[in-house]
Amino acid sequence: DAGITQSPRYKITETGRQVTLMCHQTWSHSYMFWYRQDLGHGLRLIYYSAAADITDKGEVPDGYVVSRSKTENFPLTLESATRSQTSVYFCASTLASSYEQYFGPGTRLTVT
Amino acid sequence: SQELEQSPQSLIVQEGKNLTINCTSSKTLYGLYWYKQKYGEGLIFLMMLQKGGEEKSHEKITAKLDEKKQQSSLHITASQPSHAGIYLCGAAKNAGNNRKLIWGLGTSLAVNP
Repeated sequence: DAGITQSPRYKITETGRQVTLMCHQTWSHSYMFWYRQDLGHGLRLIYYSAAADITDKGEVPDGYVVSRSKTENFPLTLESATRSQTSVYFCASTLASSYEQYFGPGTRLTVT
Repeated sequence: SQELEQSPQSLIVQEGKNLTINCTSSKTLYGLYWYKQKYGEGLIFLMMLQKGGEEKSHEKITAKLDEKKQQSSLHITASQPSHAGIYLCGAAKNAGNNRKLIWGLGTSLAVNP
């Protein structure tokens, strides 16, 4: 399907486990972003990527790892999940010539 | 403190009423983006404003950016239950090449039938 997809949509994991959230876009957008959304904090940028093999930290990168070996995929890994990482995670993408970001449906992650 | 302040934080209106949501920055913005989020879903792009004094409309929603490019308003005319959700403003601070946006905390809108 065309667009931007995230998987899984819902995930429950235990403290200390490694979790990978997937993001895939079919538009060949250069830029991709990972946000977390929490009550009282709004959307906070975790990491972003300007192109394949180019990634950079956002506002709240600690505890997260990203990679971008292909333009269309931008996985986010929680190396050792903590309860404070319970959140809704959104992936977004945009063209290199634009600021208009297109969002995926989100992944609701609960760390127990 | 938030770089983008949104007000009000939440709003409950009767169907058919008009309403306005504001988004304010202390600095001049390069561009202002309005999004809507239905509960439990992703953000949907509504409108982009880039020029001072610019106004755009789509169906019953009108967005304006002031001349100084520091404040934007989103106005909904004759609200309907389908307008319910969270409205977020995002802004580009400059014309740099990292394409990042800063975000307001959102305004939660409920429309009672």
